[in-house]
Amino acid sequence: NAGVMQNPRHLVRRRGQEARLRCSPMKGHSHVYWYRQLPEEGLKFMVYLQKENIIDESGMPKERFSAEFPKEGPSILRIQQVVRGDSAAYFCASSPGSQRTDTQYFGPGTRLTVL
Amino acid sequence: KNQVEQSPQSLIILEGKNCTLQCNYTVSPFSNLRWYKQDTGRGPVSLTIMTFSENTKSNGRYTATLDADTKQSSLHITASQLSDSASYICVVSPTGGGNKLTFGTGTQLKVEL
Repeated sequence: NAGVMQNPRHLVRRRGQEARLRCSPMKGHSHVYWYRQLPEEGLKFMVYLQKENIIDESGMPKERFSAEFPKEGPSILRIQQVVRGDSAAYFCASSPGSQRTDTQYFGPGTRLTVL
Repeated sequence: KNQVEQSPQSLIILEGKNCTLQCNYTVSPFSNLRWYKQDTGRGPVSLTIMTFSENTKSNGRYTATLDADTKQSSLHITASQLSDSASYICVVSPTGGGNKLTFGTGTQLKVEL
C-alpha cells in the first residue's frame, strides 16, 4: 500500500507563473488536506477536501490559490501568479475518514521556490 | 501568538540518553493531541494521538503524556538513537474545528555519538 504521493518534489517558478502541485492520497483514503510550511515555521492548515467537495478552505488565501479533488485523479493545489512569498514546502495529507481521531498520513511535500 | 508552544526549540543529547520535550497549548476545547516526527526534507509521521480523556500513550520508545487541566503535554524518548534526530511536532485538533490541525513549531532534536 503506497503512501501519500506528491509531485513534483521540487518546483521552481518565476514570479507571475503558475504552480500546480499534485497529491495522490493513500489507497482507500477519500479525505485530503493541504498544509504550507514556511521556513522556520510550523505547518499551517490551508484546505480540507473530500472527493469533489471542498469541506474547509479557511486557511487558504482568498486570491491566487485554489484546490480541487476530482472524482478521478489526484488532488491539485494551484497557485496562480506566484510571488516570492509563496516559496515554501507544501504538504498533503490523507485520512480514511472524517473522524477527529483519524491519523493524517503525510506525503513527502513539494518544495516550491519562486525566483 | 501561536496556540501551540513547544520547548526547548532545539536539543542535543548523546546516544542512549533519555529526553523529554514539552508542549503547552491554548487551543480549547480540543478534541485530541498528537505528536509527529518530521525528518529533514520529509513529511511528518504520526507517533501518538491522545484524546482529551487520556493521560498517556506509548509507541515503542516514545511515551506521550497529557494534562488537560494545565494544557500541557510531553513526549519522552528513552534510550535515544541516532535515527531519532528529527523535529518533533506537537499538534492539537480543536473541537469544532473539523479535522483542521494546529501545529507547533517543533523541537529540533539531535542525537550524537
